Amino acid sequence: GAVVSQHPSRVICKSGTSVKIECRSLDFQATTMFWYRQFPKQSLMLMATSNEGSKATYEQGVEKDKFLINHASLTLSTLTVTSAHPEDSSFYICSAREGGGGYQPQHFGDGTRLSIL
Amino acid sequence: QKEVEQDPGPLSVPEGAIVSLNCTYSNSAFQYFMWYRQYSRKGPELLMYTYSSGNKEDGRFTAQVDKSSKYISLFIRDSQPSDSATYLCAMRNSGNTPLVFGKGTRLSVIA
Repeated sequence: GAVVSQHPSRVICKSGTSVKIECRSLDFQATTMFWYRQFPKQSLMLMATSNEGSKATYEQGVEKDKFLINHASLTLSTLTVTSAHPEDSSFYICSAREGGGGYQPQHFGDGTRLSIL
Repeated sequence: QKEVEQDPGPLSVPEGAIVSLNCTYSNSAFQYFMWYRQYSRKGPELLMYTYSSGNKEDGRFTAQVDKSSKYISLFIRDSQPSDSATYLCAMRNSGNTPLVFGKGTRLSVIA
């Protein structure tokens, strides 16, 4: 089956640090990747959608200068949380989909738990 | 009205029971319907994926879609303690659009 690898799984760092999270599709080419944020006992909140080689499309209320997304290849997308603060602490999950739409499901990574002290 | 409604539970059943999980939706343009299982501190895992109306079976899992009623279901037969997780329904229309998720139902299967 399709595998999405997300790294690191856990990050603890000081306030003001920038943190980069990687998302890789291991056995398929991900034309589109998605980044989500999930609070405890809540559903997934879409932050942004990125297509390979294009700028990411951010959801309303998500600061693009705060959450930098790069999707430079068909197998790799990165999310950088710049100058992270305690309120950015959350569970971040990436997702990837092969193709531009149609009958292609989204597959998810195992998430990154970010804790800002 | 939210686009996708899903009872958050929690739902607690004895081992071996048949579990029924449901979602309703309001957007008639939705065509692709998915069920994900999410264990604590993990990402969602795709369980079932259906297009338009109908049934799909995979092992102990059966997904049903009734587009006329805007209602989807996931049935789990012979439920096991390892099925204890949060189940998320998700759907989208055609084209390169993101999924719309339900809130998820927390299921506990008691041995």
